[in-house]
Amino acid sequence: KNQVEQSPQSLIILEGKNCTLQCNYTVSPFSNLRWYKQDTGRGPVSLTIMTFSENTKSNGRYTATLDADTKQSSLHITASQLSDSASYICVVSALNGGATNKLIFGTGTLLAIQP
Amino acid sequence: NAGVMQNPRHLVRRRGQEARLRCSPMKGHSHVYWYRQLPEEGLKFMVYLQKENIIDESGMPKERFSAEFPKEGPSILRIQQVVRGDSAAYFCASSREVNTEAFFGQGTRLTVV
Repeated sequence: KNQVEQSPQSLIILEGKNCTLQCNYTVSPFSNLRWYKQDTGRGPVSLTIMTFSENTKSNGRYTATLDADTKQSSLHITASQLSDSASYICVVSALNGGATNKLIFGTGTLLAIQP
Repeated sequence: NAGVMQNPRHLVRRRGQEARLRCSPMKGHSHVYWYRQLPEEGLKFMVYLQKENIIDESGMPKERFSAEFPKEGPSILRIQQVVRGDSAAYFCASSREVNTEAFFGQGTRLTVV
């Protein structure tokens, strides 16, 4: 069964600190892995997208890693800001019969940044 | 280039009424995906459409729910005879090609009273 699991479920850190969010997946056949940020009451916004051959990708203070062998990904946030408070969602794209793809969503990590 | 536009943003329906949710994809995008997000839960895939075709509807309930993406105009998610359990946020996403980045709309929050 295709699944995406994230940890921790929620996290509180002080402004300026770093943090790392984890994502484990059992999705096959794998196409790509994406991290999204979802602010409360808004649609998800893409942070990074990585294919099988990519190990790391950065977007400003966000750095995502991918280990396709162990089927694990992480999202590292550096020097957190209050505006980073949101839900971070790991999404794995599964090839579905070769002609289509399906996005499998994790339930997200709710991150709260405290001043 | 406007993003994915969904309307209405909020929709209130009485039990038994019909709900119509609209999604206009980004310009140049011919792939549309609908997702449902229940309170305190992650997004769940419902249906994937290309222009005039339903590609994958494996996540959509067999009864009362239907989706279309006509040649002209927005994609429509239609829920007939709504029940309280249909209350959720419904998100639409679009992409240019099947494996390119998907952009999400702001969602439609459906409340069934």
